[in-house]
Amino acid sequence: GAGVSQSPSNKVTEKGKDVELRCDPISGHTALYWYRQSLGQGLEFLIYFQGNSAPDKSGLPSDRFSAERTGGSVSTLTIQRTQQEDSAVYLCASSFQRVGSPLHFGNGTRLTVT
Amino acid sequence: DAKTTQPPSMDCAEGRAANLPCNHSTISGNEYVYWYRQIHSQGPQYIIHGLKNNETNEMASLIITEDRKSSTLILPHATLRDTAVYYCIVSVNYGGSQGNLIFGKGTKLSVKP
Repeated sequence: GAGVSQSPSNKVTEKGKDVELRCDPISGHTALYWYRQSLGQGLEFLIYFQGNSAPDKSGLPSDRFSAERTGGSVSTLTIQRTQQEDSAVYLCASSFQRVGSPLHFGNGTRLTVT
Repeated sequence: DAKTTQPPSMDCAEGRAANLPCNHSTISGNEYVYWYRQIHSQGPQYIIHGLKNNETNEMASLIITEDRKSSTLILPHATLRDTAVYYCIVSVNYGGSQGNLIFGKGTKLSVKP
């Protein structure tokens, strides 16, 4: 079946511009996560959605980062006034809302800020 | 920091079983053991998970010791496409409330012809 879909797969932007990254989770998965992975590093948690609400935003690195989810499905991660240190692979994952359910990841959006 | 310890690298001959060990000596009673792998430029791929019992699916088998302090992921017939970094993660996953999957360094598995 269809997995987690992310778009675009690659994004190059100039410093100071805003970017929007999109995630389509697996149908029926009410839990949705955003992570980012810098080159050669582990995954850094950003934000978690339960349905359309975000009970855990603790990983967002600054107020330039925001995310929303509508209809309990698609989510967008927005980075305003991008900086070079924002360059990373942004990964989205989704899961069922029950104990132990594993996360299923998309292939990510590779963001390069020049 | 990751709560697991894995060897940094392993080699395996194509067609043979790959046995990847993981130590998680401080695992709590309600923490699951998850295995993921990541192939270059792709997102982490879920493989298998378990709480206490051994588990098997179409991709792999997971053997968890009785004291739950270690586990082994078994790929029964490794192929070249199984070359990847394999991550062992322990987590209390309350159906998504914490997002606390901590990916450590993992084991770089190289399957050789």
